[in-house]
Amino acid sequence: DAMVIQNPRYQVTQFGKPVTLSCSQTLNHNVMYWYQQKSSQAPKLLFHYYDKDFNNEADTPDNFQSRRPNTSFCFLDIRSPGLGDAAMYLCATSSGTGILYSEQYFGPGTRLTVT
Amino acid sequence: TQLLEQSPQFLSIQEGENLTVYCNSSSVFSSLQWYRQEPGEGPVLLVTVVTGGEVKKLKRLTFQFGDARKDSSLHITAAQPGDTGLYLCAVPNNAGNMLTFGGGTRLMVKP
Repeated sequence: DAMVIQNPRYQVTQFGKPVTLSCSQTLNHNVMYWYQQKSSQAPKLLFHYYDKDFNNEADTPDNFQSRRPNTSFCFLDIRSPGLGDAAMYLCATSSGTGILYSEQYFGPGTRLTVT
Repeated sequence: TQLLEQSPQFLSIQEGENLTVYCNSSSVFSSLQWYRQEPGEGPVLLVTVVTGGEVKKLKRLTFQFGDARKDSSLHITAAQPGDTGLYLCAVPNNAGNMLTFGGGTRLMVKP
């Protein structure tokens, strides 16, 4: 089945220790998104790629970076995690074309704990 | 003020009850989506509504888009514990490449 995969599902890192979260998709979608979701809140968009075109949200901290080496993979790098960065990180994709462009398909998320 | 206001924020009911949750705005939208997020998982798209007054059914779930395309409702008949989760409505921007989410309704269905 076509899907969005996130690894790992749970990640523990130390304060200030860089961490990378990964996302892959078999949907062959043009657009990939990274969201941060804190407890009982809606997902907050960090950035997205249309193909290789990177789009950063204005309020995304510089501490968060992303890479998309090819269509299938996208990475979220947190350079110096703080306690406030503990959250669920969601990857999503959308087709990027047609009337269903805006429909997004989410991975299961990576829950990040910062100690 | 949020673009999308969802109500109620929390809802705890017994298995078998019916419920309705709402997604309201003062803005007009080209379309609106509903997602369900189970605990510890990512959101899953349930439905997209496009036409004012449109009604879509998905088993025990009934979705309606307001006539003026400013609001939407989700009605669940005979709720089951498997319906427990966070229900999010979302609308696309004009380019269709980003979604704005409502604050969500957290539903708990007790056996």
